[in-house]
Amino acid sequence: DAGVTQSPTHLIKTRGQQVTLRCSPKSGHDTVSWYQQALGQGPQFIFQYYEEEERQRGNFPDRFSGHQFPNYSSELNVNALLLGDSALYLCASSIGDGYTFGSGTRLTVV
Amino acid sequence: KQEVTQIPAALSVPEGENLVLNCSFTDSAIYNLQWFRQDPGKGLTSLLLIQSSQREQTSGRLNASLDKSSGRSTLYIAASQPGDSATYLCAVRSLGSGGGADGLTFGKGTHLIIQP
Repeated sequence: DAGVTQSPTHLIKTRGQQVTLRCSPKSGHDTVSWYQQALGQGPQFIFQYYEEEERQRGNFPDRFSGHQFPNYSSELNVNALLLGDSALYLCASSIGDGYTFGSGTRLTVV
Repeated sequence: KQEVTQIPAALSVPEGENLVLNCSFTDSAIYNLQWFRQDPGKGLTSLLLIQSSQREQTSGRLNASLDKSSGRSTLYIAASQPGDSATYLCAVRSLGSGGGADGLTFGKGTHLIIQP
């Protein structure tokens, strides 16, 4: 049984560009959350999707947006990239209380 | 706003020692608390989940306790092994203002090195 799958694993973008990260949840999980982890820091909650709707949102600007598809997979979009957006982006899926995290996408903004 | 603090930030001990990692949180209105392990450049692996009504959870050599009233949790690792070397993260899921649960709030982690 595959766990949470994220793509791509690494990405380099130029400041001002836009990026889309993708996540396939663990089989049977219907809720997807996204987290940003800067180097040496704990992950920070971006938002959570359930039934194709954004259910909760952390303290991130509107440049960060997302989508959930009918098969529960999800995308994270970041517009107008800043150098400070460089981080490991983690996707977590869940049903009930337990979270399963993917290995993340390492985004570098130059 | 929930804040999570982990002490110590880093720890290096010889193999075989028992050790305790500490986590504190500022708002006791929590839904649950989880401990995760993160290997360098990797995602998070869930170790233990404690519901707000529970006092502790055990899995193998790991034991996590929760004292919600004092805003503290500890992760106890018995008979440490070099393979335990990783960063350990504590995460709190708070009760939301609408009655549901918020996303996870993480500490910065404890970087643990077990010397062979």
